Parts: sequence; structure tokens; C-alpha cells
Amino acid sequence: GDSVTQMEGPVTLSEEAFLTINCTYTATGYPSLFWYVQYPGEGLQLLLKATKADDKGSNKGFEATYRKETTSFHLEKGSVQVSDSAVYFCATMNYGGSQGNLIFGKGTKLSVKP
Amino acid sequence: EAGVAQSPRYKIIEKRQSVAFWCNPISGHATLYWYQQILGQGPKLLIQFQNNGVVDDSQLPKDRFSAERLKGVDSTLKIQPAKLEDSAVYLCASSLGPTGTGADQETQYFGPGTRLLVL
Repeated sequence: GDSVTQMEGPVTLSEEAFLTINCTYTATGYPSLFWYVQYPGEGLQLLLKATKADDKGSNKGFEATYRKETTSFHLEKGSVQVSDSAVYFCATMNYGGSQGNLIFGKGTKLSVKP
Repeated sequence: EAGVAQSPRYKIIEKRQSVAFWCNPISGHATLYWYQQILGQGPKLLIQFQNNGVVDDSQLPKDRFSAERLKGVDSTLKIQPAKLEDSAVYLCASSLGPTGTGADQETQYFGPGTRLLVL
């Protein structure tokens, strides 16, 4: 079945450092890809998404490009802030039902130190 | 626009007791999802509704879990009897579904979750 593999955390960075969180997926067809973020004590929030190959999703300084040839959707940010500390989940849309449902990775915890 | 509402936020019960969670999706969203998120893992889909019908309940442990969305709006998820391994965060999400267009149909919006501890 479909699956998502993320780099294991925790990831600890200093403020203004460059961030990469790797994500690869296995899926049939051409799924949509998502990054969700979960701040402490809160539910998941959609960070960005891409619906077809070579699309770049972006939001709040974060970017990810849908790479079909490498089945990857790595999350990047050029300069992280303390407020970016959270758990980041990569997900693919599984179209097993009449409408898709999300398959999530295990999450990567990011801690940004001042 | 109000987001997805869930209650209660926290619940502690003993094993073999029953518990129920409630979810009110974003107004106008046809599709509603319940996920289980065990500590240190990503959310796992339990059940998906479109309006008041079940689309996918293949991963719902039906011997103890049940869910309903009788009027196609809010939904309840019940566990009876609870086991220790049911300790998790239960997340509700909603999406526009077929009433939306393009990528908007599938984007899911999550509630804050209910944290369940079974002792």
C-alpha cells in the first residue's frame, strides 16, 4: 500500500539556520502531496501542498517541490525562527475511497534554539 | 470562518469503560474524517464519511469502535470497551468534498483533537 517515509528527528537548529526535512513516498498513480505542521498542544495545520509533478508548494517561507522521478517532497526553509519549533508531517493523498484520504509519515520534531 | 470543533479536549478513563468524542466540521464541508494519532506516530485514518454515509471504515476496529454522522453535519466516535492501547489523540478533520473544485475538494482541515488516556 501507499506509504510515506520521513527523516527521523528530533532536529535541533539554531535560529536563522537552513532547514531540510526529507520525505519520500510510495504510491500508485499521481498522488497529491502535503506538509502539515503541529504546534505544541494544537491540531494539524496545512502548511503547503502540491498536486502534480514539478509543482512547488510554498507558505510562510517554507517550500517543497513535487519530484516524481525521485518520489520525494522535501521541506526546506532558508532561515528558521524559534516560532517554527513544531512537529512536521509529510502526507500523500490515497485515492482508495471515492475521495482520497491522507497517509502520514511519522513526523519530524523540529526545535529551533535562539 | 470557524474551524473544526472537537470536545472534550482531554479524557481519562479506566480500561473497559466507554467514551465518546464529538466533532463539528467546518460549515459546508461534506466530508468528515476521524484519525487516531498514537504518541510518536502520524495520524491514521479510522473512518471517513461523505455527508451521512460511510466511505471508508476499513481501519476501524469495529468490535469496539463505532462512529456516526446521522444528519450529515456533526459526528460522534465511540469506544466501548476501551483498552490501554486506545490511549491516543483522536483527530477530526473535514474537507469540502464533491461540492468543492479542484484541489480545494481534498484539502483537509483538522480540529485540535481529543487526548485520551486509558488507565
